[in-house]
Amino acid sequence: AQSVAQPEDQVNVAEGNPLTVKCTYSVSGNPYLFWYVQYPNRGLQFLLKYITGDNLVKGSYGFEAEFNKSQTSFHLKKPSALVSDSALYFCAVRDPSGGYQKVTFGTGTKLQVIP
Amino acid sequence: DVKVTQSSRYLVKRTGEKVFLECVQDMDHENMFWYRQDPGLGLRLIYFSYDVKMKEKGDIPEGYSVSREKKERFSLILESASTNQTSMYLCASGTELAKNIQYFGAGTRLSVL
Repeated sequence: AQSVAQPEDQVNVAEGNPLTVKCTYSVSGNPYLFWYVQYPNRGLQFLLKYITGDNLVKGSYGFEAEFNKSQTSFHLKKPSALVSDSALYFCAVRDPSGGYQKVTFGTGTKLQVIP
Repeated sequence: DVKVTQSSRYLVKRTGEKVFLECVQDMDHENMFWYRQDPGLGLRLIYFSYDVKMKEKGDIPEGYSVSREKKERFSLILESASTNQTSMYLCASGTELAKNIQYFGAGTRLSVL
């Protein structure tokens, strides 16, 4: 079985400061990991993914995430937060060794960037 | 750009009604998904389909069924709507070629009274 946890319901950060949104996962094999963002009254948008290779993955809007296999984590980061980054962020995991296409999403973390 | 279109943004139905939620994608993706989104629970997979006429149950299939007669269209059916099915419903599509990065529609907010 695959699962993902986002331990923080909400993260507050001042504009211009670095931000981190945490995610941990559990799969039996090597994971595919994803981050998505949801702006108010919108569907989810893909931000970035880790499939294999370099543990530091860069994505859209200046976001990046670091895959840490020993800690089973995939935290989302950005060096300098913008007010427009305020949104709901979802981490997702897929275990490709299962041979199916199901992706499991976390419960989401609301990011609030304070001007 | 990939486009996933959900037929309604808002729906209000009465308990016991049969409800159809429609989703169309324009990227020839083989995989399509239906989720419901509830505060504090995140996204939960209801059903997914990996080919025409093929479907797999997700985590919460009870009270729902699906139909995929054409590759571009995936329908979610509430056979007899109940108040606990009031939720935001999100459709997504993806392809194994892109490791199933999912492209989402804008969502349908369903209220069952």
